Amino acid sequence: AQSVTQPDIHITVSEGASLELRCNYSYGATPYLFWYVQSPGQGLQLLLKYFSGDTLVQGIKGFEAEFKRSQSSFNLRKPSVHWSDAAEYFCAVVPSGGYNKLIFGAGTRLAVHP
Amino acid sequence: DVKVTQSSRYLVKRTGEKVFLECVQDMDHENMFWYRQDPGLGLRLIYFSYDVKMKEKGDIPEGYSVSREKKERFSLILESASTNQTSMYLCASSFGPSYEQYFGPGTRLTVT
Repeated sequence: AQSVTQPDIHITVSEGASLELRCNYSYGATPYLFWYVQSPGQGLQLLLKYFSGDTLVQGIKGFEAEFKRSQSSFNLRKPSVHWSDAAEYFCAVVPSGGYNKLIFGAGTRLAVHP
Repeated sequence: DVKVTQSSRYLVKRTGEKVFLECVQDMDHENMFWYRQDPGLGLRLIYFSYDVKMKEKGDIPEGYSVSREKKERFSLILESASTNQTSMYLCASSFGPSYEQYFGPGTRLTVT
């Protein structure tokens, strides 16, 4: 079945530490890929997106993500986490030919320790 | 900046009531979406609309209907609310061929 998997439900890191959030998808063709962030009580904000081209994409707030076709992955990274990064992060895909319906993963909740 | 607003942040309704959730966007976007968000399930698409008076079912349309009479406004209707519709509801919009969706702040609905 077509799906988006975020294997980590909760992650806790110390402020200043590096971060990697995992995302895997199972679609036949390369979909369009997104990472969104949801701060407490807020809607979702787009961090970055991948459609084609360079497989390392830069986003807002110092985030980047790397698309790896061989692993069907689109992991989100940040070299040094700030306390304000505590939020829930969602990976999403638009399947090839999927009009523009986003399919979301279950989300990863990030906690940041001082 | 694109702005997507939702009529209520919090709503409490009784079982069997008819519930209207309103969403308005100010960027002349063609596409509008309604999602529900539940812990451990992420966001699931209820309905979407790609033009005025046009609508398409998403992944979980049962128990819901929608209305889009004007381009900027997209309403989600719960004809007879049930407790299993207690959830966070998020509205989003996007421009024509763009896949980037802009989200409202959400409405947390409790059905008792």
